[in-house]
Amino acid sequence: QQQVKQSPQSLIVQKGGISIINCAYENTAFDYFPWYQQFPGKGPALLIAIRPDVSEKKEGRFTISFNKSAKQFSLHIMDSQPGDSATYFCAASKGHSYGKLTFGQGTILTVHP
Amino acid sequence: DAGVIQSPRHEVTEMGQEVTLRCKPISGHNSLFWYRQTMMRGLELLIYFNNNVPIDDSGMPEDRFSAKMPNASFSTLKIQPSEPRDSAVYFCASRPLAGGANEQFFGPGTRLTVL
Repeated sequence: QQQVKQSPQSLIVQKGGISIINCAYENTAFDYFPWYQQFPGKGPALLIAIRPDVSEKKEGRFTISFNKSAKQFSLHIMDSQPGDSATYFCAASKGHSYGKLTFGQGTILTVHP
Repeated sequence: DAGVIQSPRHEVTEMGQEVTLRCKPISGHNSLFWYRQTMMRGLELLIYFNNNVPIDDSGMPEDRFSAKMPNASFSTLKIQPSEPRDSAVYFCASRPLAGGANEQFFGPGTRLTVL
């Protein structure tokens, strides 16, 4: 019940296209859903996060869509750029002050110029 | 701020040897996490500490692994004896307990290779 399932494992997009990565969770107690971005040789870094009281959050070209009833959330990258090429992890936690994150398996995004 | 500091950045050792990985969290952060990343298993939480106290070590694979946090500015992850299947990138992350934010700040990782 602690799992977070992420898809696809890898994604290739042309420059300017839209990248979409999906995650599904089982534990209805989760109340914080971040996305982390990881470049080769670096640690993951927080990209954007959402709480279940809203259905969408947008920061620049990055948008999280959240569907509480379906227990799914997704990351949309608009106007994808080669510099967005990285591994993306979705995650979830319960009780925002506790900090224990359950991560998805990761999606390797490649944006071709 | 220097961010989370991990050492060494790379470690190559032989099977059976003891390995110690080190982490210095961001000053003022009182929650610390150790993760392991592999292609097969992704990013796994091994153990985390709040105020230097281990809270959840259910992710520690077996008794060969141990972690300590003797003070607020230092933590170690020890593997003894090491095995080839321990080869992975080990990350340390920290975050403040107060403030309501749940962002974890990751270090650059230690790439461990056990021959």
